[in-house]
Amino acid sequence: DAKTTQPPSMDCAEGRAANLPCNHSTISGNEYVYWYRQIHSQGPQYIIHGLKNNETNEMASLIITEDRKSSTLILPHATLRDTAVYYCIVRANNYGQNFVFGPGTRLSVLP
Amino acid sequence: DAGVIQSPRHEVTEMGQEVTLRCKPISGHDYLFWYRQTMMRGLELLIYFNNNVPIDDSGMPEDRFSAKMPNASFSTLKIQPSEPRDSAVYFCASSPWGTGANVLTFGAGSRLTVL
Repeated sequence: DAKTTQPPSMDCAEGRAANLPCNHSTISGNEYVYWYRQIHSQGPQYIIHGLKNNETNEMASLIITEDRKSSTLILPHATLRDTAVYYCIVRANNYGQNFVFGPGTRLSVLP
Repeated sequence: DAGVIQSPRHEVTEMGQEVTLRCKPISGHDYLFWYRQTMMRGLELLIYFNNNVPIDDSGMPEDRFSAKMPNASFSTLKIQPSEPRDSAVYFCASSPWGTGANVLTFGAGSRLTVL
């Protein structure tokens, strides 16, 4: 079972920041937060992950609350190509655990 | 790198026929995953391999499904006999060792329709 809760859908205006929330209140100390996205008809794409510190890469920023029970993925300047389903996943960094994809958040970037 | 390559991209077959889906992972990746995606059930992990050895096949729905990885650059997912409920998009993904297998690169998927 997915250990995360995400809103089913969100809208964002093109050029504005998209802030996608994720609740993971039962996260364990050794579990990371991962974000993937799936653009229509394509395979999921890795975006970013983190443990407890905020992370940033060329695609997005990840903000994790101090208690680690929730996080926010930020796309700083959303474009139409960012329209996709975004998956938040918690998983320990060991080889025995697998990724469990929940329903995710369907982000629509509007012109 | 060409990424994870899957074939065929689309397959339409009749119930009872054998279906073979193929995957070429990224060179050097030690982990290979097969996922299935449907509208009803979303993305489901079927099986994954480490260094060509199946590690967890608990997601394989039933004996009609089988997967092999004869070498580091090739894997197959076979359904025999196929049924209409097997209609789905099947994704293959690979991941390198050393990252906790946490960064998966997915292929474009194989869309299977069983009539």
